[in-house]
Amino acid sequence: KQEVTQIPAALSVPEGENLVLNCSFTDSAIYNLQWFRQDPGKGLTSLLLIQSSQREQTSGRLNASLDKSSGRSTLYIAASQPGDSATYLCAVRRLDSGAGSYQLTFGKGTKLSVIP
Amino acid sequence: DVKVTQSSRYLVKRTGEKVFLECVQDMDHENMFWYRQDPGLGLRLIYFSYDVKMKEKGDIPEGYSVSREKKERFSLILESASTNQTSMYLCASSLIRVRDRITDTQYFGPGTRLTVL
Repeated sequence: KQEVTQIPAALSVPEGENLVLNCSFTDSAIYNLQWFRQDPGKGLTSLLLIQSSQREQTSGRLNASLDKSSGRSTLYIAASQPGDSATYLCAVRRLDSGAGSYQLTFGKGTKLSVIP
Repeated sequence: DVKVTQSSRYLVKRTGEKVFLECVQDMDHENMFWYRQDPGLGLRLIYFSYDVKMKEKGDIPEGYSVSREKKERFSLILESASTNQTSMYLCASSLIRVRDRITDTQYFGPGTRLTVL
């Protein structure tokens, strides 16, 4: 059974710092990996999706990398801002065919606080 | 922009009541999902649907049922609500095919915080 782990559970950084959030998964047979952001009491917002054949994806100050063979992904946030404060979750979609393959397995998230 | 809406942001029900949570998406997505999110447990999949009238159990389907009569609407039903079903419920949708390209980014609704007394 796929397990997704995000360490650390919480992170606090001063504004302007570059930072890296980590995600690891136990089964490398994945179709893709997504990074989400969740603000308190709200739903999830998709940030980046990396297909299994890709190494990285970029959107603005965000860069996500994927090393499928080692079961790891990182989310790099450049020049952090207080507005980046949120919980960041990663999720993997498994590779097998069939209806069940559309399911995502989520990590528990890293709560990021960017201090002004 | 994809929009996923949920019928209520906050809901308070009594033990034993039948509860309906509604979710509507406006992007013609094929897949729809219901999750619950609890502190320390993360997001857990309750049910998902990959087509109208089709459904698959997720990780924690006990005590829940679903209905998908139309492509844009996916309902979660708590047949007899219990206090351990107090949680944040999140609906999501995904999968659209444009010519040969499939995009399966999951889009989430704002969530329904359900309290069962």
